[in-house]
Amino acid sequence: EVQLVESGGVLVQPGGSLRLSCAASGFTFSTYWMHWVRQVPGKGLVWVSRINSDGSKTSYADSVKGRFTISRDNAKNTVYLQMNSLRAEDTAVYYCARGYVFFDVWGRGTLVTVSS
Amino acid sequence: QSALTQPASVSGSPGQSITISCTGTSSDVGAYNYVSWYQQHPGEAPKLMISDVSKRPSGVSNRFSGSKSGNTASLTISGLQAEDEADYFCTSYTSSSTFEFGGGTKLTVL
Repeated sequence: EVQLVESGGVLVQPGGSLRLSCAASGFTFSTYWMHWVRQVPGKGLVWVSRINSDGSKTSYADSVKGRFTISRDNAKNTVYLQMNSLRAEDTAVYYCARGYVFFDVWGRGTLVTVSS
Repeated sequence: QSALTQPASVSGSPGQSITISCTGTSSDVGAYNYVSWYQQHPGEAPKLMISDVSKRPSGVSNRFSGSKSGNTASLTISGLQAEDEADYFCTSYTSSSTFEFGGGTKLTVL
């Protein structure tokens, strides 16, 4: 079964750091681009970041550029999102998703709450 | 404010057809045939319904179809069913190598 499972979401203070992980299974992970997308509960989806299949190319939304870093370990079938200088407005459910220009497989998400 | 504009809500009766619009600019929707649509039921992850403007993934009902004209893409659902009641989001690749989502449309089946 093709599956993505996110983890690492917790309550963190403003200015803090956090690393999210997304473990993939059921497909050849190393051949796919991967994304992070976030959603404030009850609100819309917001694209965060993308990484190519070998990890050499990345892109970011302006709202997180310079604070978040996407990376991957193809040996571990895992994509990561390092989140630094967290702000209250980063509070959301973070989903990882598979795809190049569309997202055909999604995880169930992990909740990140930024609050003092 | 989302970069792509969708109506906040649409509604229809079972068996009817509805269309959800997604309006962007010449830097996103109008520039590429990389518009996709997602269905999201409460408490669930989004599900891909349409890719590349009009391609339907395996397993998605043929009642769902997509199109594009200029800077506006559309999702049409024909033969509405109760299970279609959900939130729908469009997204487009952009000339900045990023992605923009629409604000989402809540579909109510009356």
